[in-house]
Amino acid sequence: AQSVTQPDIHITVSEGASLELRCNYSYGATPYLFWYVQSPGQGLQLLLKYFSGDTLVQGIKGFEAEFKRSQSSFNLRKPSVHWSDAAEYFCAVGADSGYALNFGKGTSLLVTP
Amino acid sequence: NAGVTQTPKFQVLKTGQSMTLQCAQDMNHEYMSWYRQDPGMGLRLIHYSVGAGITDQGEVPNGYNVSRSTTEDFPLRLLSAAPSQTSVYFCASSYSNSRYGYTFGSGTRLTVV
Repeated sequence: AQSVTQPDIHITVSEGASLELRCNYSYGATPYLFWYVQSPGQGLQLLLKYFSGDTLVQGIKGFEAEFKRSQSSFNLRKPSVHWSDAAEYFCAVGADSGYALNFGKGTSLLVTP
Repeated sequence: NAGVTQTPKFQVLKTGQSMTLQCAQDMNHEYMSWYRQDPGMGLRLIHYSVGAGITDQGEVPNGYNVSRSTTEDFPLRLLSAAPSQTSVYFCASSYSNSRYGYTFGSGTRLTVV
């Protein structure tokens, strides 16, 4: 079964600084990979997804992620963080034969002035 | 398009009471899922459905029932509420298998006292 690890529970960055959130997955074949963002008291919004093709995917709100098969990783990046990016970020993995997503435990992002 | 609609948004139950969390989607999605979100645990799959009349258990199904009589609706029933079921519940839907990602509702915050 596929699984997801987000090694960082909390991350603090200064506004304007770059951001990288880590995600490692475990799955035998090429997985479907997703990043979701959750603002306080809100549902989950899809930032971006990867299932084939170009390993660098662009998403909404200026985010991008890179799929690295050799490292079993799908890290999320943003070149310049805005205060409004403060939220909880979840990495998720799915499979071609799967009916739902498996989520990591999330990374909480704090943005300081 | 309303997307995925969950009702109610907030609910307080007494131990032993039963209730149904409602979930409806208007996107003609075949796949629907219920997750619970607890601090530090990420999202855990309770039950899922791949079409009307077809449901199956996820990671944490005990204490919950589901049914899928129509494509649009996927209610989650708590048979006899326990304090351990205090959580935020999310319903999600997808067009097909997990490669498309899931669209989430805004959640139901349930407290069992």
